[in-house]
Amino acid sequence: GENVEQHPSTLSVQEGDSAVIKCTYSDSASNYFPWYKQELGKRPQLIIDIRSNVGEKKDQRIAVTLNKTAKHFSLHITETQPEDSAVYFCAACRNTGKLIFGQGTTLQVKP
Amino acid sequence: GAGVSQSPRYKVAKRGQDVALRCDPISGHVSLFWYQQALGQGPEFLTYFQNEAQLDKSGLPSDRFFAERPEGSVSTLKIQRTQQEDSAVYLCASSLASGAEQYFGPGTRLTVT
Repeated sequence: GENVEQHPSTLSVQEGDSAVIKCTYSDSASNYFPWYKQELGKRPQLIIDIRSNVGEKKDQRIAVTLNKTAKHFSLHITETQPEDSAVYFCAACRNTGKLIFGQGTTLQVKP
Repeated sequence: GAGVSQSPRYKVAKRGQDVALRCDPISGHVSLFWYQQALGQGPEFLTYFQNEAQLDKSGLPSDRFFAERPEGSVSTLKIQRTQQEDSAVYLCASSLASGAEQYFGPGTRLTVT
């Protein structure tokens, strides 16, 4: 069935370093790939997304890359700051919008 | 404008009780989704509406779970005869159209004792 694998489950970096989170998906019909940031006790917040007709998208310190052949997409955060500390979820879906989420990555940015 | 809102924010139910969770989507958003998020896990899809039509309920874990959106706006997720394994955060999300960006509500944390 539909599945999204996310790695690593935890990631600790020094402030100013880069962080990379990787996801793979199983459903080849998936065409939309959002990333959400969730702080403790808060709602998931959309931080960036990419559609299948694009290979890379960037928004300030955040970028996402997509390899449709390998069914693989990644989140890159540069110049990390303590306020980037949170749980990050990747997701994949078809046109319906039914999101299949990864298991989450807890990012800790040490000052 | 206002984002997605949910009520109540917290609900404690005794095992066997029925509960009803409400979601108010962003005005004008056609699509509405319910997800269940267990502690330390990613959200899992429960069901999806386009306007008042429930197009996919494949994620509902049992026939004790029921969702409705009678006028294509507010939605209610009802859980009958709650069990301890129903304890989770129930998230609602809405989007302008199917396949568009989804915006989440704050969730309802359900604890079944």
